[in-house]
Amino acid sequence: GAGVSQTPSNKVTEKGKYVELRCDPISGHTALYWYRQSLGQGPEFLIYFQGTGAADDSGLPNDRFFAVRPEGSVSTLKIQRTERGDSAVYLCASSRAGTGYNEQFFGPGTRLTVL
Amino acid sequence: KNEVEQSPQNLTAQEGEFITINCSYSVGISALHWLQQHPGGGIVSLFMLSSGKKKHGRLIATINIQEKHSSLHITASHPRDSAVYICAVRMDSNYQLIWGAGTKLIIKP
Repeated sequence: GAGVSQTPSNKVTEKGKYVELRCDPISGHTALYWYRQSLGQGPEFLIYFQGTGAADDSGLPNDRFFAVRPEGSVSTLKIQRTERGDSAVYLCASSRAGTGYNEQFFGPGTRLTVL
Repeated sequence: KNEVEQSPQNLTAQEGEFITINCSYSVGISALHWLQQHPGGGIVSLFMLSSGKKKHGRLIATINIQEKHSSLHITASHPRDSAVYICAVRMDSNYQLIWGAGTKLIIKP
């Protein structure tokens, strides 16, 4: 079956621009996670959705970052007024549910470069 | 002190060698993940463990909950096994994953 997909795979933008990154989770997975991985570092938690609601957005670095999941399936991570420090690989993962031992399945990531 | 520590940070071995990567953690966990990341690639989940041992092909993962330690073993290593291997734990108290720094493995032919 289809895994987690993310689009675009690469995004190059200029400082100050707005970007949207999309994640399509595995069908039926109610939990969705966004992570950010900077070069040479491990992934950093950004936000977790259970269904349509953001159950925990404590990892979002500041108010330029926002994510939605209006129908409980596809999620969009939105970054306003991008800065060079936002350059990273943005990873999305989904799991059957947020509680219990549910394995997270990862997408291929979107590599964001802010010039 | 990091809550999840991996060793070694870097490992280079010859094809065919038996590989062991270690992960120690200091928090109460509900599950531990071993993941693989190729250069420029996404993350692939290899195992999720809460106790005992799991095997998949040439990969074996073990966990000792009392000692807060897990190991990932690769038998008959091959150059295509070259990747970064990451240990991540899911805490008892929530769903977030706490990530180790990763072990960069290079298998030479």
